[in-house]
Amino acid sequence: KQEVTQIPAALSVPEGENLVLNCSFTDSAIYNLQWFRQDPGKGLTSLLLIQSSQREQTSGRLNASLDKSSGRSTLYIAASQPGDSATYLCAVNPGAGNNRKLIWGLGTSLAVNP
Amino acid sequence: DAGVIQSPRHEVTEMGQEVTLRCKPISGHNSLFWYRQTMMRGLELLIYFNNNVPIDDSGMPEDRFSAKMPNASFSTLKIQPSEPRDSAVYFCASSINGPAKNIQYFGAGTRLSVL
Repeated sequence: KQEVTQIPAALSVPEGENLVLNCSFTDSAIYNLQWFRQDPGKGLTSLLLIQSSQREQTSGRLNASLDKSSGRSTLYIAASQPGDSATYLCAVNPGAGNNRKLIWGLGTSLAVNP
Repeated sequence: DAGVIQSPRHEVTEMGQEVTLRCKPISGHNSLFWYRQTMMRGLELLIYFNNNVPIDDSGMPEDRFSAKMPNASFSTLKIQPSEPRDSAVYFCASSINGPAKNIQYFGAGTRLSVL
């Protein structure tokens, strides 16, 4: 059974720091992996999607990597800003094709302090 | 597009009452998902529809929960009778079919409190 774990559960950093959020999964047979952002009282927004054949994806100050063999993904945030404060969730799609049952981590709550 | 629209945003009800949550997916999306989020269990998929047809409802907790999608632009999640343990945030999400297009777009959620 696929399980997704995110460490740490919470993180507080000063503005300007580069930081890494971790996501691990128990079954390496995945179709893709996504990182989402959730602001308090809001829904989730997809940040990056990495297909199983890819090693990384970049969007602005965000870079997500995927190492299927070790069951790990990291989300790197460069030059963090207070506006980056949110909960970041990792979700694994274990199925090929049109299987859309994502397996979710519990998230990392990030606070970037000015 | 206005995105996925959920109503109401907040619902407070008493145990035993019927609760109906509503969702309007993004126009042109043909997959719709209902999730429940709690601090203890995180996000749980309750049910998802493809082209208005329920595909997998294995996440629906029990018979008190039911979901319908009468057309491509509307879905409901009903809890009858509601219990305090149903208190959570319920999210609706939609996506476009296809293996490379399975990014899900989420609504803002309905925060349900059952007293």
